[in-house]
Amino acid sequence: GDSVTQMEGPVTLSEEAFLTINCTYTATGYPSLFWYVQYPGEGLQLLLKATKADDKGSNKGFEATYRKETTSFHLEKGSVQVSDSAVYFCAAGGYNKLIFGAGTRLAVHP
Amino acid sequence: GAVVSQHPSRVICKSGTSVKIECRSLDFQATTMFWYRQFPKKSLMLMATSNEGSKATYEQGVEKDKFLINHASLTLSTLTVTSAHPEDSSFYICSAEGQDQETQYFGPGTRLLVL
Repeated sequence: GDSVTQMEGPVTLSEEAFLTINCTYTATGYPSLFWYVQYPGEGLQLLLKATKADDKGSNKGFEATYRKETTSFHLEKGSVQVSDSAVYFCAAGGYNKLIFGAGTRLAVHP
Repeated sequence: GAVVSQHPSRVICKSGTSVKIECRSLDFQATTMFWYRQFPKKSLMLMATSNEGSKATYEQGVEKDKFLINHASLTLSTLTVTSAHPEDSSFYICSAEGQDQETQYFGPGTRLLVL
């Protein structure tokens, strides 16, 4: 069946460091891909998305590119801030269904 | 835009009682809403898909008689946990599907504690 695999956390970085969180998917067809962020005690917020191959989603300095050849959607940010500390979920889906990865906890220290 | 609210944000109840959680799409209409359960430090587990005006579709292993879902309008879905027990304690999150029928917009979650 369809699945999403994320790199395990926690990821601990210093402020202004470069961030990569890997995400790969297996799916029939070509799903849309999403990154959601969850701050402590809150629900999920859509961070960015891409709907077809080679699309790049971006928001708040975060980017991810839909790579069909490697079935990947890695999240990157050039310079993280303490306020980026949260859990990040990669998801793949389409009509009426989203498959989530396990989530990656990011902790950014001053 | 695409704001989803949940109420209550936190509830404590006694074992054996029922609890209703509301999920509302505030600035858009949602034919489809979803209910998830999240265990501590875990990913989201889809419980059911709620379609306006029809019966919800439950995922395998989710008891439909225990988790009653009603989606009576295009902006409101409710989840009722009937005869709650301590093992039902969890973080329940709803989402509403956007007009693109792919993107889901999530509520802030409801933390349920059953004593």
